[in-house]
Amino acid sequence: DTGVSQDPRHKITKRGQNVTFRCDPISEHNRLYWYRQTLGQGPEFLTYFQNEAQLEKSRLLSDRFSAERPKGSFSTLEIQRTEQGDSAMYLCASSSPVVGTEAFFGQGTRLTVV
Amino acid sequence: SQQGEEDPQALSIQEGENATMNCSYKTSINNLQWYRQNSGRGLVHLILIRSNEREKHSGRLRVTLDTSKKSSSLLITASRAADTASYFCATTSGYSTLTFGKGTMLLVSP
Repeated sequence: DTGVSQDPRHKITKRGQNVTFRCDPISEHNRLYWYRQTLGQGPEFLTYFQNEAQLEKSRLLSDRFSAERPKGSFSTLEIQRTEQGDSAMYLCASSSPVVGTEAFFGQGTRLTVV
Repeated sequence: SQQGEEDPQALSIQEGENATMNCSYKTSINNLQWYRQNSGRGLVHLILIRSNEREKHSGRLRVTLDTSKKSSSLLITASRAADTASYFCATTSGYSTLTFGKGTMLLVSP
């Protein structure tokens, strides 16, 4: 296993379009997280899955954002009707079932909304 | 919202010097972690210190935690140009959701 994988690495889209990102976590990790990071800032939490259950969602996650993890393995993050303010790096991370262990991050998907 | 706040925001040193970054946080935590991020890349986990630990070492890294002051420090000894990156502290409490600070940008010049 080579770590957390995110696809695509870069996405340029026109305002108003929908986009979907995929995250494949480390295989034995049941916890999966999505974060968003804008230039010069630290990552901001978006949502958290334990297996297929979405246990926590940030208030940052507007109705235009939805995340799924249908079989407790890979996850998708969809943004509908994109806005320029959605331009950011979207980071996925996973961690083992043991509480309080480190999270491993993917390389991120850089979204640019034009 | 971001719980942690790193200090300084930016740090510029010469190779071979030590770099110290500080992190302050607001609420009680389970553990505190430090991550490194090279420009435009994902985050790399460096070290985790639990709330009942006071100091931890990993190679050239030394982390301290003072829960009474709600603060932590990361010391990188004998820095190298390859250490140039942004460094973030992140805390966990309750669920293991990480809350990050804004980071310290470290520049190590040859």
